[in-house]
Amino acid sequence: NAGVTQTPKFQVLKTGQSMTLQCAQDMNHNSMYWYRQDPGMGLRLIYYSASEGTTDKGEVPNGYNVSRLNKREFSLRLESAAPSQTSVYFCATGQNSYEQYFGPGTRLTVT
Amino acid sequence: GENVEQHPSTLSVQEGDSAVIKCTYSDSASNYFPWYKQELGKGPQLIIDIRSNVGEKKDQRIAVTLNKTAKHFSLHITETQPEDSAVYFCAASKRGADKLIFGTGTRLQVFP
Repeated sequence: NAGVTQTPKFQVLKTGQSMTLQCAQDMNHNSMYWYRQDPGMGLRLIYYSASEGTTDKGEVPNGYNVSRLNKREFSLRLESAAPSQTSVYFCATGQNSYEQYFGPGTRLTVT
Repeated sequence: GENVEQHPSTLSVQEGDSAVIKCTYSDSASNYFPWYKQELGKGPQLIIDIRSNVGEKKDQRIAVTLNKTAKHFSLHITETQPEDSAVYFCAASKRGADKLIFGTGTRLQVFP
């Protein structure tokens, strides 16, 4: 039972490159979330999926797209990376807007 | 929409002392209040939560209190230890909401 897994753990991109961050959960939760956390800052919600087949924008969606592939997987895509997207990205899962469980994070640097 | 304010942003205590972190929320319909601990280089981890039908909940050295009238809730850590050093986040949610609303975090440092 791995809980919430994220790949990759670390990534360095050049400005303009694209990449997809992967998240998978084995907790059978309906909801999945993507957050970013900048140094010394709190958690900011990028996108979320309340259930399979639905996605909604969070606080900071610009520059990102998401796909809820199935109940287990929720991916975050950067189409054209910018230095402002240098951050740590966390995926989380939850049930019925209550407890959320976070993955270990992906540390992304855009040069 | 819901807003959660968290204070203080940083807190330093001596090992063995108590630490208190406070949060206030704006939506009176909120009924679920979790606390997360984030250690360096890791994702936030749920450590305790409280629902609006109770006023206090304890788990060993940590406790959470809720004052629905004043719309604030607090995390209390007693007999602090160096391993309690971390960033702590409060959050709030309500039935039917799709997401948690997080506070801005408190960096707790426990000095030996």
